[in-house]
Amino acid sequence: AQRVTQPEKLLSVFKGAPVELKCNYSYSGSPELFWYVQYSRQRLQLLLRHISRESIKGFTADLNKGETSFHLKKPFAQEEDSAMYYCALSEGGADGLTFGKGTHLIIQP
Amino acid sequence: GAVVSQHPSWVICKSGTSVKIECRSLDFQATTMFWYRQFPKQSLMLMATSNEGSKATYEQGVEKDKFLINHASLTLSTLTVTSAHPEDSSFYICSAIEMGLSYGYTFGSGTRLTVV
Repeated sequence: AQRVTQPEKLLSVFKGAPVELKCNYSYSGSPELFWYVQYSRQRLQLLLRHISRESIKGFTADLNKGETSFHLKKPFAQEEDSAMYYCALSEGGADGLTFGKGTHLIIQP
Repeated sequence: GAVVSQHPSWVICKSGTSVKIECRSLDFQATTMFWYRQFPKQSLMLMATSNEGSKATYEQGVEKDKFLINHASLTLSTLTVTSAHPEDSSFYICSAIEMGLSYGYTFGSGTRLTVV
């Protein structure tokens, strides 16, 4: 069965510092990987999907199949980046998502 | 962009009663909708997948007779929690994907169910 691991429950960095949110997965096939963000009292929003290879709000994520990782990075954190971040995996097609437990990112001024 | 509307946003019900939660795709046709459950400070757990016009597929450990799912149209799926008990209290979130998958998975705002 597939699994998504986000080792950090909480990550606190200062404004302007680089951010890296870790995500590792286990799946025998070719997964689709996503990062979702949930700001306070708002719904989950798609931040990135690996197949589109785009940068959203300065965040990037590269799928590393060798290390089975999909870490989320941003070179300079901003206060508005404070939120809950979830890494998720789909087996492809129209399957549901398997979520990691989430990382609460706090950007300190 | 794709928008999914979920109602109600919160509901309190008595033990033994049933509660219906609606999930609507507002500006796209959703071939597939998903229902998740989120316990406090935990991640989202997929409960079931529903395709328009067919029976839902439930994840292991999810009681299909307790959590009735109906996906009668391409824009509406409902989750009915039957004979609710306090342990059913949770945050329920729906998600939908559009036919061409161009929007990816779009999520509703969730429903906080409290059974007293």
